[in-house]
Amino acid sequence: DVKVTQSSRYLVKRTGEKVFLECVQDMDHENMFWYRQDPGLGLRLIYFSYDVKMKEKGDIPEGYSVSREKKERFSLILESASTNQTSMYLCASSPIAGERVDEQFFGPGTRLTVL
Amino acid sequence: RKEVEQDPGPFNVPEGATVAFNCTYSNSASQSFFWYRQDCRKEPKLLMSVYSSGNEDGRFTAQLNRASQYISLLIRDSKLSDSATYLCVVNKKYGNKLVFGAGTILRVKS
Repeated sequence: DVKVTQSSRYLVKRTGEKVFLECVQDMDHENMFWYRQDPGLGLRLIYFSYDVKMKEKGDIPEGYSVSREKKERFSLILESASTNQTSMYLCASSPIAGERVDEQFFGPGTRLTVL
Repeated sequence: RKEVEQDPGPFNVPEGATVAFNCTYSNSASQSFFWYRQDCRKEPKLLMSVYSSGNEDGRFTAQLNRASQYISLLIRDSKLSDSATYLCVVNKKYGNKLVFGAGTILRVKS
């Protein structure tokens, strides 16, 4: 079974803090993604990576950065947390599948609250 | 206009009922279509892919209408365990990125 793990299930931080969210996958997938999920808005892509040290902005990258130093690990960084970044953060991974888009496997999510 | 639009529901149905969800997408170049299921406080998981003209998996049938840019999910003989949020998912024009609808809530009651 594919396993995607995230470092924390629940996190509470204060405005202005630097926040690190870690994601690890054990299936040797090339692609990794960070989403946030908010009620009524669904999942929105923040950043994704298709290879080590490679990254691309998603639809809502402002206020976030990412790091992928190893294939299995993809980190999301909030440089200076703000209250509007309170959300559920979901990490996902998928293999490269040529022209066909393949299934994404999700981690359990991190519910981040910024006070 | 949202890239993927779904009726948020909730759909409240009795056990054994047949229920159908619809989804429309705006990018005519999309090639891959999926239905994901998300249980309360859990991560989304793939329910079924929808390729070409649609497919069936047990009690679940997915249909794709490219001309109308419309996807549907039909659930027959609903079970209590089908209660969840169903996410319509479409790929972006290029690459391995997906666009998720906001989801349709299904509640099956005994």
